[in-house]
Amino acid sequence: DIQMTQSPSSLSASVGDRVTITCRASQSISSHLNWYQQKPGKAPRLLIYGASSLQSGVPSRFSGSGSGTDFTLTISSLQSEDFATYYCQQTYTTPWTFGQGTKVEIK
Amino acid sequence: QVQLQESGPGLVKPSETLSLTCTVSAASISGYFWSWIRQPPGKGLEWIGYIYSSGNTNYSPSLKSRVTMSVDTSKNQLSLRLSSVTAADTAVYYCARVGPYSTFCLDYWGQGTLVTVSS
Repeated sequence: DIQMTQSPSSLSASVGDRVTITCRASQSISSHLNWYQQKPGKAPRLLIYGASSLQSGVPSRFSGSGSGTDFTLTISSLQSEDFATYYCQQTYTTPWTFGQGTKVEIK
Repeated sequence: QVQLQESGPGLVKPSETLSLTCTVSAASISGYFWSWIRQPPGKGLEWIGYIYSSGNTNYSPSLKSRVTMSVDTSKNQLSLRLSSVTAADTAVYYCARVGPYSTFCLDYWGQGTLVTVSS
C-alpha cells in the first residue's frame, strides 16, 4: 500500500495567516492526489483534485501543488470557516489511502 | 445537487454482518463509480472499496475477505455488507461518488452513519 504522511499533524494559526500543509507519498503517485476538508460531525468535502485543480464552489484562497511524492495545500488567507481537519488522499493505485489528517486550530 | 444518504442499523453484534444502504438522489447511479469509506471515532479515513454501476468492484485488501458491495440501479441505491464484525469495525460509514474528472476523487459524500459493534 502507498503510505501518505501529512505534516504537521496539527497547527495553530490566526485569521488572515497563510497556511501550508504538506503531504508526502511513499512512492510516486504522479498527480493523483486529492485534498479534503472535514469539520466536526460532518462528511469530508473535496477541495482539490488532481493535485492542483480547484473543485467547483471552493474559494480561490485554497490551492494545491506538487507531483510525484511531495504535495502542498495552501490557504492564502485563513478564514474562520477554515478551521477544520484536512486530509490528503492518493488515487494512483488501489487501495486508495489517506493521510492521517492535519488539524487547523485557532491561535 | 447530488445527494447521498446512508441508512442501516446503528448497532451490530460481534460476529454478525453489518448491512448499509446508500440512496442516491438528483443523479443516476449509472455511469459512475461509487465508494464506501469509514472513519473510526476520533480517527482518520479508511477506504473500503468502490463499485461501478455495472457491478464491477475493487475492495481494500485489508477488508476484501469480509466485504460485499452491490448496486440496484432500479432503486438508485448502493449496498455495503461487512461480515464477521468486531469492535474494530465501529466507525462512521460514508458512501461517496467518484467524480467524473481526470483523476479519481470523491466529489459528493453522504452525511455518514455511525455503526457500533457491541453485544
